[in-house]
Amino acid sequence: GDSVIQMQGQVTLSENDFLFINCTYSTTGYPTLFWYVQYSGEGPQLLLQVTTANNKGSSRGFEATYDKGTTSFHLQKTSVQEIDSAVYYCAMRDDTNAYKVIFGKGTHLHVLP
Amino acid sequence: NAGVIQTPRHKVTGKGQEATLWCEPISGHSAVFWYRQTIVQGLEFLTYFRNQAPIDDSGMPKERFSAQMPNQSHSTLKIQSTQPQDSAVYLCASSWGGAETLYFGSGTRLTVL
Repeated sequence: GDSVIQMQGQVTLSENDFLFINCTYSTTGYPTLFWYVQYSGEGPQLLLQVTTANNKGSSRGFEATYDKGTTSFHLQKTSVQEIDSAVYYCAMRDDTNAYKVIFGKGTHLHVLP
Repeated sequence: NAGVIQTPRHKVTGKGQEATLWCEPISGHSAVFWYRQTIVQGLEFLTYFRNQAPIDDSGMPKERFSAQMPNQSHSTLKIQSTQPQDSAVYLCASSWGGAETLYFGSGTRLTVL
């Protein structure tokens, strides 16, 4: 079945460090891929999305490239700040099952000042 | 636009009691989703309504969970005979038509003692 895998449960960095969060997906369809971010006490909110393979999405300094060859959608940011501390979820919507968005288990990012 | 509103923010029940969670979607959104969030499982899809009609409840535990959408302005998730393993944050989300972008509420934290 369809799945989204995030292996890193927690990442701790210092300000201005480089961020890289792994995400891989599995589906037989043609997915749209998302990154959602959840700040403490709030619900998740969309950070970025990419519909087309080999395209890159970007928002607020974060980037992710939809790599169909490696079925990956890793999230990167050159220089993290303390305000980026949050939980990041990789997610997928399979166009053959268009209404259901499947989420990974999330990566808790803690940025030290 | 107040966003998706979920009430209550916190609910504590005793084992075996009933819990009803409320969600008011964003006005004009035709799709409503319920997810359950735990540290271990992350965000799990429970059920989905479109134009108030139930479309998919494949994520719902069959025996004690039920969801309804009696009108376009609110949806409820009811858990009968709550068990400690039901303790989680229950998130409601709405979207314009399918799952283009999900707009989440802040969630209801359910604690079953």
